[in-house]
Amino acid sequence: DQQVKQNSPSLSVQEGRISILNCDYTNSMFDYFLWYKKYPAEGPTFLISISSIKDKNEDGRFTVFLNKSAKHLSLHIVPSQPGDSAVYFCAATTLTQSTGNQFYFGTGTSLTVIP
Amino acid sequence: DAMVIQNPRYQVTQFGKPVTLSCSQTLNHNVMYWYQQKSSQAPKLLFHYYDKDFNNEADTPDNFQSRRPNTSFCFLDIRSPGLGDAAMYLCATSGGAGGTTEQYFGPGTRLTVT
Repeated sequence: DQQVKQNSPSLSVQEGRISILNCDYTNSMFDYFLWYKKYPAEGPTFLISISSIKDKNEDGRFTVFLNKSAKHLSLHIVPSQPGDSAVYFCAATTLTQSTGNQFYFGTGTSLTVIP
Repeated sequence: DAMVIQNPRYQVTQFGKPVTLSCSQTLNHNVMYWYQQKSSQAPKLLFHYYDKDFNNEADTPDNFQSRRPNTSFCFLDIRSPGLGDAAMYLCATSGGAGGTTEQYFGPGTRLTVT
């Protein structure tokens, strides 16, 4: 049962425009959410995160929004650049676990930024 | 640079022939994870270790086993690989319980089963 869902497998955006990647989750115990970026032949790398006590976190061109009531988060990239072309994974975890956090991942969204 | 290293990057094995994938880390993290990722799917957690405490996911097949002889190293053993086990295997680490906020991934090992 997929607890974290990314319903858009791919997204194409013109350079300079905004990219919006969406993610939904089902487990209300999740209290920390992350976005990872993955280039081909590399492992995922951490991009940005947000705690459930916040509804927005911004880091340069990247902003993550969290809507707890809707169990939905989104990643905004503005302006989009060709180097942002990659697969983006949404992940969620519960920080209160005492045996090491388990991270649950979505299936990823492949972003293509067209020059 | 502190990092997560996986060897080999590409592994070819024959159907039913045991294979071992390795992961090492220089981050001194106490949690290590093994994920299986198939094309267009989410990374699927197979196991994780919190220090030496082993945590097996309920749906991880018995064909998969893991060893963590020390903090730095973790191994994934596939006893009798089947064609369905062909995938990317990702190792990751994190700092531990409570304050853990992210995972650090290795580059992955692409396993092919012939």
